[in-house]
Amino acid sequence: DTAVSQTPKYLVTQMGNDKSIKCEQNLGHDTMYWYKQDSKKFLKIMFSYNNKELIINETVPNRFSPKSPDKAHLNLHINSLELGDSAVYFCASSHTSAEQYFGPGTRLTVT
Amino acid sequence: DAKTTQPPSMDCAEGRAANLPCNHSTISGNEYVYWYRQIHSQGPQYIIHGLKNNETNEMASLIITEDRKSSTLILPHATLRDTAVYYCIVYSGNTPLVFGKGTRLSVIA
Repeated sequence: DTAVSQTPKYLVTQMGNDKSIKCEQNLGHDTMYWYKQDSKKFLKIMFSYNNKELIINETVPNRFSPKSPDKAHLNLHINSLELGDSAVYFCASSHTSAEQYFGPGTRLTVT
Repeated sequence: DAKTTQPPSMDCAEGRAANLPCNHSTISGNEYVYWYRQIHSQGPQYIIHGLKNNETNEMASLIITEDRKSSTLILPHATLRDTAVYYCIVYSGNTPLVFGKGTRLSVIA
């Protein structure tokens, strides 16, 4: 009965590849988010979707593209991966914006 | 940038109360104080939030000073599983959550 799930948990890939991370929430929330946590442990928001519409798009390279097929899913697609993309990516969802439920994270390693 | 200041680390003996301070001297009247924590290798977890009044739930208590320039998160009986990074966040509803560096709490047996 996981509230927010992400797949895969670990992702190791080479520079230049394209990869996707999937996120699903079963809480019935309207808003979903993607965060990036870098090696220095800073957690920063990347995107926010409300009812399948993009509402926040922080300064993120356009190689990153979120896709929301429905309210329960927000996938993150990354093109032309770079070394600096190595990080832990967290998906989250909320009904109200500040009480967010986070997934377990996806550790992306680009070699 | 985070609008809060927290000590980088704290220790607490198991079974004792953990009191985590947070300064938010530039907080505006419509901004809430939220607390999250992140246990190692897990996603952040919402703990509690408040506007003016003190708040308590099953996880913690939040004490906000009368001038709202600072607050304290209290874990009444800390356990080893409370070892985590604790984030104090000021939030108005119009902007994304901004996570600062937080306080690394180590609960010691």
